[in-house]
Amino acid sequence: NAGVTQTPKFRVLKTGQSMTLLCAQDMNHEYMYWYRQDPGMGLRLIHYSVGEGTTAKGEVPDGYNVSRLKKQNFLLGLESAAPSQTSVYFCASRTSGADTQYFGPGTRLTVL
Amino acid sequence: KNEVEQSPQNLTAQEGEFITINCSYSVGISALHWLQQHPGGGIVSLFMLSSGKKKHGRLIATINIQEKHSSLHITASHPRDSAVYICAARRSETSGSRLTFGEGTQLTVNP
Repeated sequence: NAGVTQTPKFRVLKTGQSMTLLCAQDMNHEYMYWYRQDPGMGLRLIHYSVGEGTTAKGEVPDGYNVSRLKKQNFLLGLESAAPSQTSVYFCASRTSGADTQYFGPGTRLTVL
Repeated sequence: KNEVEQSPQNLTAQEGEFITINCSYSVGISALHWLQQHPGGGIVSLFMLSSGKKKHGRLIATINIQEKHSSLHITASHPRDSAVYICAARRSETSGSRLTFGEGTQLTVNP
């Protein structure tokens, strides 16, 4: 039981490049979340999903897109990366029957 | 003003000391979470509470709904407790059980 995994762990991009971050969970959780964590700020919600095929905007959605084609996977896309998107990205999931979120190990992204 | 505020931002203690981290929130909530972020970056959930007090080992979390305030206490602190402690509020009216996070408290426990 791997829990929540994130791919990749580290990535360096140039401004304007695109990439996709993958979050996978093997706990059959309905809810999945993407956060970013920046120095001096709390975790901020980018997008979330309440089930397969559904997504919704969070607090800071601009510049990101998401997809939840399979229940176990939640993808975060950056179509044209900007230096302001340099951050650590965390994915989390939870079951509909409980409030506790389980976090992935994070992806450190640097945009030059 | 952030909806969820923690104090202090940084805390240094000697091994064995009793530690308190505070969290205040300005919105109506249905639950409050305490999380721990390890030096390596991993985040784990410690407590979720909507009233009263919860205890797990040397960790105690309390919440006062009327005063919109929660505290996390660590008894007999140990260097392995060094981490960032984060409180997060689940607002009453949000969909998807979205959380609003505080900035975190960096705790360092020296031997």
